Amino acid sequence: EVQLVESGGGLVQPGRSLKLSCAASGFTFSNYYMAWVRQAPKKGLEWVATISTSGSRTYYPDSVKGRFTISRDNAKSSLYLQMNSLKSEDTATYYCARQEGLLDYWGQGVMVTVSS
Amino acid sequence: DIQMTQSPSSISVSLGDRFTITCRASQDIGNYLSWYQQKPEKSPKLMIYRATNLEDGVPSRFSGSRSGSDYSLTINSLESEDTGIYFCLQHKQYPFTFGSGTKLEIK
Repeated sequence: EVQLVESGGGLVQPGRSLKLSCAASGFTFSNYYMAWVRQAPKKGLEWVATISTSGSRTYYPDSVKGRFTISRDNAKSSLYLQMNSLKSEDTATYYCARQEGLLDYWGQGVMVTVSS
Repeated sequence: DIQMTQSPSSISVSLGDRFTITCRASQDIGNYLSWYQQKPEKSPKLMIYRATNLEDGVPSRFSGSRSGSDYSLTINSLESEDTGIYFCLQHKQYPFTFGSGTKLEIK
């Protein structure tokens, strides 16, 4: 069974940093692209980042480019999202997802609140 | 960026009725379109992939179709468990973009 479990969320002040983690199990992690998607309270979904199988290629929307960094450790079957210079508009539930072309499996999500 | 215009934003439907949601793509996305169902406080669940293919375990009353740049999700004979928010995702090119979501309630 595919499982994705996010951690690392919480309350952080504007301008500070936070690192999210996602522990994967139930599939060969190193064979799949992985992604982060967020959902602001009562809002729609926004794709945040994607990383290739080896980690050599990463992709971001303009809204987070230069502030967020996606990475992975295939030996640990883990995905990460380093978020710097956080803004109030980054407040959201962050999901990690397996990317097989589309996003086929999602974690349960972790809440990040950016507020002073 | 590819814009995905989803309609309606919300709807109340009677049990047993047929219901259709549509996403219109601002550019050609081939059939790189998937549909998801999200229940409150839960993560999204894949329902339809590549526009017309039913994900394993999804009831056959769900179906997907395409007409030009319009992609549709249809639920035949609505059941109470079908309530939730439905949204589409285009994964033709980065940035991936989602439809704004359709909230489905039972009348």
